[in-house]
Amino acid sequence: GAGVSQSPRYKVTKRGQDVALRCDPISGHVSLYWYRQALGQGPEFLTYFNYEAQQDKSGLPNDRFSAERPEGSISTLTIQRTEQRDSAMYRCASSRTSPAGELFFGEGSRLTVL
Amino acid sequence: AQSVTQPDIHITVSEGASLELRCNYSYGATPYLFWYVQSPGQGLQLLLKYFSGDTLVQGIKGFEAEFKRSQSSFNLRKPSVHWSDAAEYFCAVGEGGGNKLTFGTGTQLKVEL
Repeated sequence: GAGVSQSPRYKVTKRGQDVALRCDPISGHVSLYWYRQALGQGPEFLTYFNYEAQQDKSGLPNDRFSAERPEGSISTLTIQRTEQRDSAMYRCASSRTSPAGELFFGEGSRLTVL
Repeated sequence: AQSVTQPDIHITVSEGASLELRCNYSYGATPYLFWYVQSPGQGLQLLLKYFSGDTLVQGIKGFEAEFKRSQSSFNLRKPSVHWSDAAEYFCAVGEGGGNKLTFGTGTQLKVEL
């Protein structure tokens, strides 16, 4: 596609529910990144992939968070048993190469956990 | 661990005035440094980056930044601000060649007409 596409744009869920956030990167981009941005803060690294291989997941806060990119294109970030502290903007980015020279960010998925 | 400090949370400038946004970083090796801009409802967009070489780098939209190793700084500048520059600006330092970025908390720029 023309840009990085994320869905849903807004997600409201109840505490304890699982959520899945989807990212469709720019076609042909090798690397895909997930960041989380709390209100008033800068984005915080979660994880990244080169093709389908998860290269670094050191930023995932705990084992309720997981991500996959099974065919080296679309990625899903899954949060199990959501908690209120998970409320944030989740941003996906992709880059043409790795190491990344420039990240192209999507508009984000705003998650609110009640 | 690497870190980025953007000391100014909010800055207001008049249209046509010059702008400097401050960024200080902490990183053990030669840093990869970035400035991104975020407009409301939009994703972040890269303004410019520094990997090596000339310490004064030019970016899009008339922005430039200067890497000063002795001061651990990478300040963003623009000689004449336009109303459309109102946005939030993030400085970032990259580990692993830029695959893992650490962002500052951002500076919100307001432009008065």
